[in-house]
Amino acid sequence: GQNIDQPTEMTATEGAIVQINCTYQTSGFNGLFWYQQHAGEAPTFLSYNVLDGLEEKGRFSSFLSRSKGYSYLLLKELQMKDSASYLCAVPPSTDSWGKLQFGAGTQVVVTP
Amino acid sequence: DGGITQSPKYLFRKEGQNVTLSCEQNLNHDAMYWYRQDPGQGLRLIYYSQIVNDFQKGDIAEGYSVSREKKESFPLTVTSAQKNPTAFYLCASSRGAGKNEQFFGPGTRLTVL
Repeated sequence: GQNIDQPTEMTATEGAIVQINCTYQTSGFNGLFWYQQHAGEAPTFLSYNVLDGLEEKGRFSSFLSRSKGYSYLLLKELQMKDSASYLCAVPPSTDSWGKLQFGAGTQVVVTP
Repeated sequence: DGGITQSPKYLFRKEGQNVTLSCEQNLNHDAMYWYRQDPGQGLRLIYYSQIVNDFQKGDIAEGYSVSREKKESFPLTVTSAQKNPTAFYLCASSRGAGKNEQFFGPGTRLTVL
């Protein structure tokens, strides 16, 4: 079975840091994706982690611990345009490539 | 410019009518996908296709049908058998293997009256 959990909503002020956690259960791990989705728009790719550790891309970083079934997306120096839903996604098993299972998404609200 | 297009952006249909949503990509991707998104929920996979003339059911295929006659095109038909068709429909494509990111089209918001 497949289970992906993320918080429903997080609020932070402009310039702050927010960490969005994602826990997952799969019958074989084949990487974890993070996507950003603004309201009414298509999701856009942010990061892909397949090895343990932290990967940094500018203001956004993503961390993975395969042994704990855990990832987080770290958003630094928050800007108003970062207000969006952030989706965690994994393939359900190692032989189910492409069949991404998405979490329900975490709505991040950035306030002035 | 390469990308994925979906048309129309908004679609209204009467209950009991079949409707076909268009998805075209010029990224030369082998794999294409259809997702449904409902308010407050993540994306759920309807159908996917790894190669031309082949497709597989996703998690919520009932009431939907697809075809993949060309690499560039993966239309989705929402049939009258789909009990709750009002939703935001997203098409995506990828180079193939699961580790490759999926690129999404702008989506079609279908409302059944």
